[in-house]
Amino acid sequence: AQTVTQSQPEMSVQEAETVTLSCTYDTSENNYYLFWYKQPPSRQMILVIRQEAYKQQNATENRFSVNFQKAAKSFSLKISDSQLGDTAMYFCAFISHQAGTALIFGKGTTLSVSS
Amino acid sequence: KAGVTQTPRYLIKTRGQQVTLSCSPISGHRSVSWYQQTPGQGLQFLFEYFSETQRNKGNFPGRFSGRQFSNSRSEMNVSTLELGDSALYLCASSILSTSYTDTQYFGPGTRLTVL
Repeated sequence: AQTVTQSQPEMSVQEAETVTLSCTYDTSENNYYLFWYKQPPSRQMILVIRQEAYKQQNATENRFSVNFQKAAKSFSLKISDSQLGDTAMYFCAFISHQAGTALIFGKGTTLSVSS
Repeated sequence: KAGVTQTPRYLIKTRGQQVTLSCSPISGHRSVSWYQQTPGQGLQFLFEYFSETQRNKGNFPGRFSGRQFSNSRSEMNVSTLELGDSALYLCASSILSTSYTDTQYFGPGTRLTVL
């Protein structure tokens, strides 16, 4: 079965600092997609970044970047210059042909950014 | 372009009742997926609809059902409510369901409380 594991339930960081959230996954497939979603206190799930497994280049979106290690099945999210608005729960998610259209989520990491 | 909308945002029901939740996808999106989010189980896939047909189904009892209309709007129904059905129900839309590569965009969710 395909699984996604986020080993850090909670993390804290000061404004302007850099933080890295970890995610590992397990699959026997070669083609899949990985996502990081952010869920602030408003509960609206927002797409942060997406990575195609067949692309070796790590995806970036402004202050957000990933470190995708396909052989290690690792997909970490780096947030640079953290802002108060980054305070949220972050979910790592996986989807593949075998999973169909069902996203498989990790348990999430609660990130608190303080001033 | 307007995002995914869900109504109602909050619901309180008692055990044994039934409930219907509604989701309107992003304009032009034809696939709608439903997820249940609870503190204990995290985010779990319920089912996905495309062109008024259920294309994928998660591991939930038959009390959970859904449908999709010709305008792509979707409804989810839970019958004979149990206390454990208390959760945030999230709807997500994507352009197509023929490929797992399509990104899913989430609505704000419906918070269901069963007393």
